Amino acid sequence: QKEVEQNSGPLSVPEGAIASLNCTYSDRVSQSFFWYRQYSGKSPELIMSIYSNGDKEDGRFTAQLNKASQYVSLLIRDSQPSDSATYLCAVNPDTGRRALTFGSGTRLQVQP
Amino acid sequence: GAVVSQHPSRVICKSGTSVKIECRSLDFQATTMFWYRQFPKQSLMLMATSNEGSKATYEQGVEKDKFLINHASLTLSTLTVTSAHPEDSSFYICSAIQGGGYNEQFFGPGTRLTVL
Repeated sequence: QKEVEQNSGPLSVPEGAIASLNCTYSDRVSQSFFWYRQYSGKSPELIMSIYSNGDKEDGRFTAQLNKASQYVSLLIRDSQPSDSATYLCAVNPDTGRRALTFGSGTRLQVQP
Repeated sequence: GAVVSQHPSRVICKSGTSVKIECRSLDFQATTMFWYRQFPKQSLMLMATSNEGSKATYEQGVEKDKFLINHASLTLSTLTVTSAHPEDSSFYICSAIQGGGYNEQFFGPGTRLTVL
């Protein structure tokens, strides 16, 4: 079982819709969770971080964390074609290492 | 804030040569930096953790004698790919932790290495 799992997609949504991206993780002691956006040929860009259960909103982005169910999600409201990218979920296993474990990413396509 | 730079952005070299890639944190001190490799259509693969003033910690399967890492200051880590071969062609990305306990990593723009 992969440590961090994401649906590879592509997830296709029309412009203006809500895009919902999901991620599950296997290590129950994980404490830190991150969403990165990566455009083709570019390096990842940090979008959101979340550390406690519940929702965290930042502009059009909302991260949701449920540690009991071991999932974290990212909602993108009013999706724009410029949001089309691969979204990487990352988890810090909190084993003393500071490295993150990344999922394989979900490719999002926002149709104009 | 939290800007990480990499140099060069793109390099093409002949097989058997060595290539050095620099990673700098521009507006903060980074005691820990990471080096990743990403092949086309694949996710990031952690190669090693670079700690200022000490030896790097390599992931399983990564040859430490081939991928030399030096983290001589709080703002600079270097990755040297020694005796590069075509299979080493990849997108190499560094990241740095800004500080605090939350492990937010900020990535450099990446270096695309092509070995002929």
